[in-house]
Amino acid sequence: GAGVSQSPSNKVTEKGKDVELRCDPISGHTALYWYRQSLGQGLEFLIYFQGNSAPDKSGLPSDRFSAERTGGSVSTLTIQRTQQEDSAVYLCASSALGTGGRTGELFFGEGSRLTVL
Amino acid sequence: GDSVTQMEGPVTLSEEAFLTINCTYTATGYPSLFWYVQYPGEGLQLLLKATKADDKGSNKGFEATYRKETTSFHLEKGSVQVSDSAVYFCALSARDTGRRALTFGSGTRLQVQP
Repeated sequence: GAGVSQSPSNKVTEKGKDVELRCDPISGHTALYWYRQSLGQGLEFLIYFQGNSAPDKSGLPSDRFSAERTGGSVSTLTIQRTQQEDSAVYLCASSALGTGGRTGELFFGEGSRLTVL
Repeated sequence: GDSVTQMEGPVTLSEEAFLTINCTYTATGYPSLFWYVQYPGEGLQLLLKATKADDKGSNKGFEATYRKETTSFHLEKGSVQVSDSAVYFCALSARDTGRRALTFGSGTRLQVQP
């Protein structure tokens, strides 16, 4: 597509439920990143994909968080047994050639706002 | 670890005023530095970047100079417009560690009044 697409744009869920957030990167971009932005905080890195593998998942806050990427394209971030502290905007970004971390040319989606009641 | 510190907002200015948003960083090695901007209802987009000391990044009238001696990358614009109202994020890429992800500051909201 023309840009990075994320869905849903808004999600309200009850504590303890599982949620899935989807990211469709720019066609041809091999690198994909998930970040989290909590109110008043900066962007917190979660996980980085190069193709379908995740060489850096150091930012995932707990084992309730997981992510996968299939076909070198769409990625899904899954949060199990959601907690109120999971409420945040989840941002996805993609980059060509897998060098985004060095060149800084990440292309971001508009984010998925998650609210856990 | 790597970190980026930005001035807190919101910053409120009148149109045509001079803008400075401070950014300082802590990193191992020699990072690349960036400013991203997020306009209302849109995703973050790269505004400008600098990859080595004394480099000046510029775009859309905005400038920032990579100052290694003060570990700073302050964003400036000589005359802001209402359309510049947005959230601005300073970020670094820790080149020497090989880490792919960018480290971001907390963002500074700019409000420009007509």
